[in-house]
This record gives sequence, C-alpha cells and structure tokens, in this order.
Amino acid sequence: GAGVSQTPSNKVTEKGKYVELRCDPISGHTALYWYRQSLGQGPEFLIYFQGTGAADDSGLPNDRFFAVRPEGSVSTLKIQRTERGDSAMYLCASSPSGGWHEQYFGPGTRLTVT
Amino acid sequence: AQSVTQPDIHITVSEGASLELRCNYSYGATPYLFWYVQSPGQGLQLLLKYFSGDTLVQGIKGFEAEFKRSQSSFNLRKPSVHWSDAAEYFCAVVLNTGTASKLTFGTGTRLQVTL
Repeated sequence: GAGVSQTPSNKVTEKGKYVELRCDPISGHTALYWYRQSLGQGPEFLIYFQGTGAADDSGLPNDRFFAVRPEGSVSTLKIQRTERGDSAMYLCASSPSGGWHEQYFGPGTRLTVT
Repeated sequence: AQSVTQPDIHITVSEGASLELRCNYSYGATPYLFWYVQSPGQGLQLLLKYFSGDTLVQGIKGFEAEFKRSQSSFNLRKPSVHWSDAAEYFCAVVLNTGTASKLTFGTGTRLQVTL
C-alpha cells in the first residue's frame, strides 16, 4: 500500500516568505507527527496530532510555526516569515493510533531559505 | 539532562566485516529504545525496537541490538556487513507511551562500507 508522502520534496524560498509543507499519512492512521532534521543532526520532534487536534505542540520552536490537520488525514506545516535557520529537512510520520505503534516516515521535504 | 548519545559520527567497515554502532541514553527510567536507518532519498525505516523482556532483540536486514541496563546502552550489531548497509543510523528513545510517542533521536552514525 501507499506509504507516507510529503510534498514538495524540495522547497527553496527567500527569507521572510511564507511556506506550506504537506504530509499525506497512511490511510487510516490517526496519529501524525512532524519532525525537523537539521544537517548533521537527528530528527527533532515538532508536533503530534491525534485525529484533527494537536495533542502536543511542545516542539514547535516559536510562533512562526503552525500546523493543521482539519479532516484528520492530510496535515500542513506552515512557516511564516521564514528565516535562514529554518532550513532543514522536515519529516512527517504516521502511526495507527497514539501510544506506542511504529511510526512510518515519509521521505521528507528539504526546505532551503535563502 | 535527558539525552541520547551516539559517540561515533562516522564509521567505515569493509564488506563482510562485523559492525557495532554505539548508543547510550541518559534518563531516569528505562525508555523504549529503537534503531532507525536513513538512506539518501528514503524515509527513516525502523530496524528494531526494545520494550521489555529479552535484552537481545532481532531486527530486519540481519541486525540485532542488545540492551544493557547497567551501561545505559543499546548497541546495534551486524555479523557481516553488506555494501547496501551504507546509510545513516539513528538510535532513538520514547519516554511516555501513554499518549504521544515522541521519538528523541541521537545525532546519528554514518556508516560507510568499503568493498
């Protein structure tokens, strides 16, 4: 079956612009996670959705970052007034439910802020 | 501070040689432990996990890992490395499985395999 997909695969934007990154989870997975991976680092947790609600957004670095999942499936990570420090790989993962189930990762979106 | 440490940034092994990648964690309680592999252009793939019970766990692709509570370690091993194993390997932990399973990752070890 189809895995987690993320679009675009690459995004180049200018400093100060707004960007949206999309994640399509595996069908039927209620839990969705966003992580950010900077160069040479491991992924870092950003936000977790259970269904439509953000159950834990403690990893969002500041209020320029926001994510939604209005219908409990596709999620969009939104970054306002991008900064060069936002350049990273943004990874999405989904799992069948909360608690512990294996998280299935997408290939990521490489964001470059110039 | 709570952390996951992978002390080796880069390791090179010859094809057919054995491999051990180190992982140490620093938490008050025993977390759930995982190893992931990341190949270029691919998503993170779970190799194996430890929750409880037998401290030697078997995973996919011929990998295994051993949990040692006394050393707070969860090292990944493979008896004979194949060229296709070249990738980035991440150790990760989860502290609370009641709700969110937030993975905390180490900084990764890049494995290079020479022929």
